[in-house]
Amino acid sequence: DAKTTQPNSMESNEEEPVHLPCNHSTISGTDYIHWYRQLPSQGPEYVIHGLTSNVNNRMASLAIAEDRKSSTLILHRATLRDAAVYYCILKRNYGGSQGNLIFGKGTKLSVKP
Amino acid sequence: DSGVTQTPKHLITATGQRVTLRCSPRSGDLSVYWYQQSLDQGLQFLIQYYNGEERAKGNILERFSAQQFPDLHSELNLSSLELGDSALYFCASSVVAGGPSGELFFGEGSRLTVL
Repeated sequence: DAKTTQPNSMESNEEEPVHLPCNHSTISGTDYIHWYRQLPSQGPEYVIHGLTSNVNNRMASLAIAEDRKSSTLILHRATLRDAAVYYCILKRNYGGSQGNLIFGKGTKLSVKP
Repeated sequence: DSGVTQTPKHLITATGQRVTLRCSPRSGDLSVYWYQQSLDQGLQFLIQYYNGEERAKGNILERFSAQQFPDLHSELNLSSLELGDSALYFCASSVVAGGPSGELFFGEGSRLTVL
């Protein structure tokens, strides 16, 4: 599976926007970009995913570079509850037979009041 | 609440013992995935089942085994336990077997401590 590179940690202030970067220079044409986050003492939870176009949902926005070699997860107004480890994952199309996600180390986001 | 239920939440046992972790997927989800999370290894994919059949295998040790039953719940069996098996074990479920856009829903995990 193609690899992603994320900063180990980032800090943000409460109520300010946060841009979490992810590099995936070996992405293939059919790889989807997924973001999950894991709050302390909880299981990972889905945040957003996309293929080529930018995506928005109630939790965040995903900006995908035109060459798809990088993407950015945007939290528009960080709250203390957004402090978590954020994982950027490439999900390959195995023809419908496998759906597992391969997690890297992610970015630990700290939010200061 | 993701809708995925894992039991037990906490388990303490001794080396050499055997334990079973149980997972009930979200209603309607046919796929179940098991992950192991330890401090030094991060989240490691172990195995995936879809509608009772094994679909993908990750870094699962031979001492570990899993199955998915007709009612779609799954069990992860860990035997001959070692200190290094102490970890959080997560179960996840999804509607489909695979595909690149499907979302996984994770349970809250079972924390296993081997003494």
